[in-house]
Amino acid sequence: DTEVTQTPKHLVMGMTNKKSLKCEQHMGHRAMYWYKQKAKKPPELMFVYSYEKLSINESVPSRFSPECPNSSLLNLHLHALQPEDSALYLCASSQEPGLGTDTQYFGPGTRLTVL
Amino acid sequence: SQQGEEDPQALSIQEGENATMNCSYKTSINNLQWYRQNSGRGLVHLILIRSNEREKHSGRLRVTLDTSKKSSSLLITASRAADTASYFCATDRNTGTASKLTFGTGTRLQVTL
Repeated sequence: DTEVTQTPKHLVMGMTNKKSLKCEQHMGHRAMYWYKQKAKKPPELMFVYSYEKLSINESVPSRFSPECPNSSLLNLHLHALQPEDSALYLCASSQEPGLGTDTQYFGPGTRLTVL
Repeated sequence: SQQGEEDPQALSIQEGENATMNCSYKTSINNLQWYRQNSGRGLVHLILIRSNEREKHSGRLRVTLDTSKKSSSLLITASRAADTASYFCATDRNTGTASKLTFGTGTRLQVTL
């Protein structure tokens, strides 16, 4: 299994809602990543989990809360989002985060719309 | 922002022609990677070149890296309609515990029949 899966594919939520995005991989990778991508822009790193510990937080607002329950699963909890948070949210994983030649495998993304 | 710049922003060629995209970056790197993204979907890793390498080949792809100029280029030879996608370079400043990719602005490639 060389796939990163993300659910849901699409999500529409109001500014007062609480929702979660889910990402899963069964490749035995030890690092998992969340990216945000606005239309016609490159992906921007949000969070990195390395060996199930939060390794990098790119100064992301607290309305985004990541969680890594185990080495195969990554969640992104959303609360009190703003319309400008509407974007494609991409999850990725990589095998050896400390290796200088690590490459990332991306999921198809969740397209989030905040009303 | 540490984001790299890519040019051209958009490129339209005919099937069979070669496509060249350029990437410039700002910081020291461990390696530089190229990814492809089909419209609104996830990214697919194409090729990685280490900071001590100057050129690398993979199938129809050729990547060069000039660390003195902080630039890289991706050449796709004998392009096909299926190559239509956005292409991003990404610099990796590995922290020792995580791979930290910073993506360039991207080149949108259109290959027509």
